[in-house]
Amino acid sequence: DAKTTQPNSMESNEEEPVHLPCNHSTISGTDYIHWYRQLPSQGPEYVIHGLTSNVNNRMASLAIAEDRKSSTLILHRATLRDAAVYYCILSPISSGSARQLTFGSGTQLTVLP
Amino acid sequence: NAGVMQNPRHLVRRRGQEARLRCSPMKGHSHVYWYRQLPEEGLKFMVYLQKENIIDESGMPKERFSAEFPKEGPSILRIQQVVRGDSAAYFCASSPLPGTEAFFGQGTRLTVV
Repeated sequence: DAKTTQPNSMESNEEEPVHLPCNHSTISGTDYIHWYRQLPSQGPEYVIHGLTSNVNNRMASLAIAEDRKSSTLILHRATLRDAAVYYCILSPISSGSARQLTFGSGTQLTVLP
Repeated sequence: NAGVMQNPRHLVRRRGQEARLRCSPMKGHSHVYWYRQLPEEGLKFMVYLQKENIIDESGMPKERFSAEFPKEGPSILRIQQVVRGDSAAYFCASSPLPGTEAFFGQGTRLTVV
């Protein structure tokens, strides 16, 4: 399985934008880039996913490099409730393979008031 | 539409007892995934099931662990003769199709004393 690399931790000030990077230099052409986050004592929560084009939803934006070897999750205005561990995960779209999410260690985001 | 429901939220078992963890997927979801999160670690995939079928159990320990997803009722993760090393948070996720967004439950925190 292709691997992702994320910084262990990042800090942000409240109400400022946050850019969470992820490197995935061995990504294959059929891998989707997924982002999940896990708040303390909670189950993971889906944030966003994409394949090649940049994506926006109500929670965040996903910027994908043209060569797809890296991506950035963008939280436009961080709030205290965004403090969580953010996981960048690659998952194949092949219907023949069981879908499973390989969670790495993620990035612990701290939001400062 | 209720989310993924797991029960119990907390479970305490003595060494050697059996633990049964239940997961009711979201309505309309026929794909269920179980993950385990050991203290201070990331989530690890255990098993992927569709109704009445185990699709991928590559992450399940070879002994004492079993999972089912019957035609009617919740998915069950069963751990026989629990040991202290089984203490962890067990998360269930469901999706309507493989390769689509997975929704996680709040988890069951198993403590073996």
